[in-house]
Amino acid sequence: GAGVSQSPSNKVTEKGKDVELRCDPISGHTALYWYRQSLGQGLEFLIYFQGNSAPDKSGLPSDRFSAERTGGSVSTLTIQRTQQEDSAVYLCASSTGSGGARGYTFGSGTRLTVV
Amino acid sequence: GEDVEQSLFLSVREGDSSVINCTYTDSSSTYLYWYKQEPGAGLQLLTYIFSNMDMKQDQRLTVLLNKKDKHLSLRIADTQTGDSAIYFCAESLTGGGNKLTFGTGTQLKVEL
Repeated sequence: GAGVSQSPSNKVTEKGKDVELRCDPISGHTALYWYRQSLGQGLEFLIYFQGNSAPDKSGLPSDRFSAERTGGSVSTLTIQRTQQEDSAVYLCASSTGSGGARGYTFGSGTRLTVV
Repeated sequence: GEDVEQSLFLSVREGDSSVINCTYTDSSSTYLYWYKQEPGAGLQLLTYIFSNMDMKQDQRLTVLLNKKDKHLSLRIADTQTGDSAIYFCAESLTGGGNKLTFGTGTQLKVEL
């Protein structure tokens, strides 16, 4: 696609429920990243996929968080048993994989509210 | 370590210059970036600088890099109300793959 697409744009869920957030990267981008932006905070790295390599999961805050990327394209971030502290904007980005000057292209994010 | 720090707020008058500052701790940076985030939107790449450069100019934007002090700045000339946004600096590290480490963001408010 022309840009990075994320869905849903907003999600309100009850504490304890599971949620799935979707990211559709730019066609041909081999690298995909998930970040979390909490109110008044910077961007917190969560997970990074590069081609067929094992993902870098070093930023996932707990084992309630997982992500997969099927067929090297679409990615799903799953949060199980959501807690109020999970409320944030979840941003997905993709890149060509060679990084450098082109940086990342970000989606508009999914705003998750846990009530 | 991978700490990237920015001041949280900056307020300027329309037409003045804005200078947004960023400090980082890891000396193995390869590229440093400035991103802009408007309300309700994702981050948009504004400009970047390679770590062996001191300065880069792109229209109203000037990026200065002081590697010795690990200090990066973004100057916006003739600031307009449309420049009101949150500005993030970010660095990529040698051996870090393509993972970027972002600062906390600086909210720029442009007043008439």
